[in-house]
Amino acid sequence: AQKVTQAQTEISVVEKEDVTLDCVYETRDTTYYLFWYKQPPSGELVFLIRRNSFDEQNEISGRYSWNFQKSTSSFNFTITASQVVDSAVYFCALSEYTGNQFYFGTGTSLTVIP
Amino acid sequence: ETGVTQTPRHLVMGMTNKKSLKCEQHLGHNAMYWYKQSAKKPLELMFVYNFKEQTENNSVPSRFSPECPNSSHLFLHLHTLQPEDSALYLCASSQEGVGGRETQYFGPGTRLLVL
Repeated sequence: AQKVTQAQTEISVVEKEDVTLDCVYETRDTTYYLFWYKQPPSGELVFLIRRNSFDEQNEISGRYSWNFQKSTSSFNFTITASQVVDSAVYFCALSEYTGNQFYFGTGTSLTVIP
Repeated sequence: ETGVTQTPRHLVMGMTNKKSLKCEQHLGHNAMYWYKQSAKKPLELMFVYNFKEQTENNSVPSRFSPECPNSSHLFLHLHTLQPEDSALYLCASSQEGVGGRETQYFGPGTRLLVL
């Protein structure tokens, strides 16, 4: 079973619209970590955020915000007032305290249309 | 200068060739990773090196041979590859390699095409 599910394969929005990227995870560990990465066309995965399982506070960083809900095992990512430069593939990832690797979702390709 | 660099950025090779991918990190980290990224699939962890020692080999075929001469450099030696090995190969590093408890920082990848 896949540990991280990103059900949205592709999303297109018009510039300045808000967009939410969904991420649902699965783990039996009580301590785990969740990540979001951005992959622009250049290929490099750019780290965006890391959250611990015991910290459910939502976080805002500029136009980016993250909603972590343990009750639904979700860690959603919202971009407010999207811009063309936000066009990329976004990956959600999970790691478990007892394990040694990241589990990545299949990614959501976001296209922001000017 | 980016924290993790990879060369070459693009590589085309025949099935009988031998080539090597290089990764270098400038972050002072002690753990390095190789991932394979194929279209429409999650990133696949291939190898993990922690303080130059291999700590993870995720059932990778022997035609992929990693080498980690020091904590800053990681190589992936390729020989007799198959067309299905065509993918983006990403290198990453983290502070101490304690599994997922650390953030991993990625390089730009090498896009490999096997003919």
